[in-house]
This record gives sequence, C-alpha cells and structure tokens, in this order.
Amino acid sequence: NAGVTQTPKFQVLKTGQSMTLQCAQDMNHEYMSWYRQDPGMGLRLIHYSVGAGITDQGEVPNGYNVSRSTTEDFPLRLLSAAPSQTSVYFCASSYSYPRGGGYNEQFFGPGTRLTVL
Amino acid sequence: GQQLNQSPQSMFIQEGEDVSMNCTSSSIFNTWLWYKQEPGEGPVLLIALYKAGELTSNGRLTAQFGITRKDSFLNISASIPSDVGIYFCAGLRNTGKLIFGQGTTLQVKP
Repeated sequence: NAGVTQTPKFQVLKTGQSMTLQCAQDMNHEYMSWYRQDPGMGLRLIHYSVGAGITDQGEVPNGYNVSRSTTEDFPLRLLSAAPSQTSVYFCASSYSYPRGGGYNEQFFGPGTRLTVL
Repeated sequence: GQQLNQSPQSMFIQEGEDVSMNCTSSSIFNTWLWYKQEPGEGPVLLIALYKAGELTSNGRLTAQFGITRKDSFLNISASIPSDVGIYFCAGLRNTGKLIFGQGTTLQVKP
C-alpha cells in the first residue's frame, strides 16, 4: 500500500492563479480531509468528505473547493490564489468519520508546500 | 479559532534527558491524541487516550488524559536524537471535530 499520496510536493503560484492539489489513498478509507499548517497555528481543517459524493466545510474553507467523485481521490482546488494561502497542505484519510470514544486513526500524506507570490 | 494551548513551544535538550509537554483547553474533549511530525512528513499518531485519568505508554512515551478532560500531558523518557520533531496534541469531540495544538518543537543534542 502506498497509503496517502499528495502531489505536487512543492508549488509556487502567482496571485490570482488557480491550481489543484492532488490527494489519493489506496486503503479504501471513507473519510478524507484537507488541513493547512501554518507556523504557530497547528493544523486547521479546510474541507472533509465522509464518502464519495459527499463533502463539507471545515474550519477555514474560504478560497478552497473540493469534490469527491471516487473513494480514492480528494483534490483541493484553489480558484484564485492569494498570498494568505501560502502554507503547507496535508491530506488525511481514515476508515470512517472520527468520533470520540473509538478513534479511527487518520493517516496523513507527506504534504504540499505552497507559496503564493 | 484555536482552542488548544500547547506548551512549551520549543525545547532544546541533551540526549538522555526526560521531556514533558502539555496541552490545555477551555472546553472538554472526549479523546486526546498525540502526534509526531518529522521534517518533510505528515503527522503520525503516537498515542490515543479515551478516558479521563487514563495513562497510556508507547515505548518511552507516556501520555495522560487529564481528570478534568480539559488537558493532556506527554512525557518522553531518556530522549534520543531520533525524537527530534514537532509534537502535536489534538482533542476530538463527539461531533468529530478535531482541534490541534500549536505544536512543540523538540531538538535533541547528542
């Protein structure tokens, strides 16, 4: 198993450009999510999906779109990049939606480091 | 916004020393998690805690779920150079919302 894979590893964009960050998992996990990591802020949830065709907003969704057409893939789209979106982006997946009392471990990808000039 | 306070922000210690870090919140969590992130990688789960007062070990790592359910602690005994990384706490509510702390950066001097 490759686990959770993300591409690209690094990306530099100009303000206003669009791009898609790719995420794929081969563990047949239902739950997938995108986080951004900024210095001193920990990880913050952008969007998540509990299964193919179902997505929902997390804590910081503005400026990002997602879709989930297959169980394996969960791309994150930036429609018009802004310098405030400079960050490290992590995709994660788990067997099911995380719930207290019986945590389904989330497996994280290696991250995409995005710089917006 | 951010609801977990993790401290210390960074630590620079000598190999062989013990390390302690903690996470506090103004609200209750039902599950506490501790992750480690190495340079260029995503976080990896170290320990999960499910009950108030629970003490769980994973090798040289020991974590505790605070009695008030508003805090958690992670201890690393006899640190070694490969312990270097960023350690994150995270609290999980029954709603499924996972909140991360700001992280503790650990550096170990051989």
